[in-house]
Amino acid sequence: GAVVSQHPSWVICKSGTSVKIECRSLDFQATTMFWYRQFPKQSLMLMATSNEGSKATYEQGVEKDKFLINHASLTLSTLTVTSAHPEDSSFYICSARGRGIYNEQFFGPGTRLTVL
Amino acid sequence: AQSVTQPDIHITVSEGASLELRCNYSYGATPYLFWYVQSPGQGLQLLLKYFSGDTLVQGIKGFEAEFKRSQSSFNLRKPSVHWSDAAEYFCAVGSSGGYNKLIFGAGTRLAVHP
Repeated sequence: GAVVSQHPSWVICKSGTSVKIECRSLDFQATTMFWYRQFPKQSLMLMATSNEGSKATYEQGVEKDKFLINHASLTLSTLTVTSAHPEDSSFYICSARGRGIYNEQFFGPGTRLTVL
Repeated sequence: AQSVTQPDIHITVSEGASLELRCNYSYGATPYLFWYVQSPGQGLQLLLKYFSGDTLVQGIKGFEAEFKRSQSSFNLRKPSVHWSDAAEYFCAVGSSGGYNKLIFGAGTRLAVHP
């Protein structure tokens, strides 16, 4: 099946700093990438959807200036948490969707962010 | 509003026993329904999906699910559970058609006793 990677798998940062998380589709071209946030023992909540070369579409309640999403190529999307605070600590998961046989959401393993 | 409910937060079964995980959805139109499994350190993996047609769908790893429109349910079943099935299971509904915006349930954590 299609493989989606995320880097880093976990990160700890100080409050006020920015953190970038990468999401890559390794063996297919992702025309659409999705970013989710998962709180402990809770569901995945869609944060935003991005299409290659276009601005991301954010879900209601998600601060676009805080969670910057860039989908610069067909294999890479990045999520930057700006001026992170402890309440931003969470598990961030990306998924990628392509065309043809890759027309479904393939999920990355997630990134654990801890803000001190 | 669209939503997915998984009533069981945690389920424990014995290896070899049958399994049924419940999922109820709220969606105005014909739903696109999915079951995913999440294992530690791995991304969510699609077990099966229902878009249309036969209401009993077969998936990977011996799982199946039945779509019941009258009950707004899409329960996941497996006749004989293996220890390797221990994981978190998520039901999801796709709004905007197919694999676009997915709305997930809260998940059911499955534990398997030997």
